[in-house]
Amino acid sequence: GENVEQHPSTLSVQEGDSAVIKCTYSDSASNYFPWYKQELGKGPQLIIDIRSNVGEKKDQRIAVTLNKTAKHFSLHITETQPEDSAVYFCAASGFQAGTALIFGKGTTLSVSS
Amino acid sequence: ETGVTQTPRHLVMGMTNKKSLKCEQHLGHNAMYWYKQSAKKPLELMFVYNFKEQTENNSVPSRFSPECPNSSHLFLHLHTLQPEDSALYLCASSQGGLETQYFGPGTRLLVL
Repeated sequence: GENVEQHPSTLSVQEGDSAVIKCTYSDSASNYFPWYKQELGKGPQLIIDIRSNVGEKKDQRIAVTLNKTAKHFSLHITETQPEDSAVYFCAASGFQAGTALIFGKGTTLSVSS
Repeated sequence: ETGVTQTPRHLVMGMTNKKSLKCEQHLGHNAMYWYKQSAKKPLELMFVYNFKEQTENNSVPSRFSPECPNSSHLFLHLHTLQPEDSALYLCASSQGGLETQYFGPGTRLLVL
């Protein structure tokens, strides 16, 4: 089955700096890779996702890159702000009926002003 | 708001109690999920329902019993739980099993 590794587990940056979180996956059949942000007291919220036919996707200050050969994908946040502080989860899923997401352990991002 | 609601938001129960968690989605999705989130561990998938039929049971102990009466509602019935079952229980829904999942706010469960 799929296994997703996520690094680092904690990340502290200064406001305005960039933050990068990396994930690797084991199942080469996986082809959908979402990223979720979880704030205190809330459920995970989708912030960006990428499918295997795309190498990079951007949405304002957030971007995700995918390297299918190396089986890793990364989340890039530029010009970080204090409200970016949260736990971020990567996940991977295969295109098979009933296959659900396999999540990484999460990265706690702290942005200090 | 994501369109997925969960009640109650907090629950304290003894090991001999029976309680139920409720999830409702207002997104017209046909797949619903239960996850367990414990500190320092990845989100653990518990159950998956597609069109009200259970398609995955991730080796969950029988003291957790899911029920999906229709595509909009999902329940998790709890009985004789253990202290290690204390966690945040998250419900999610998606349009099919391959699409983006939308999560509810979770139920914080404490078993004494």
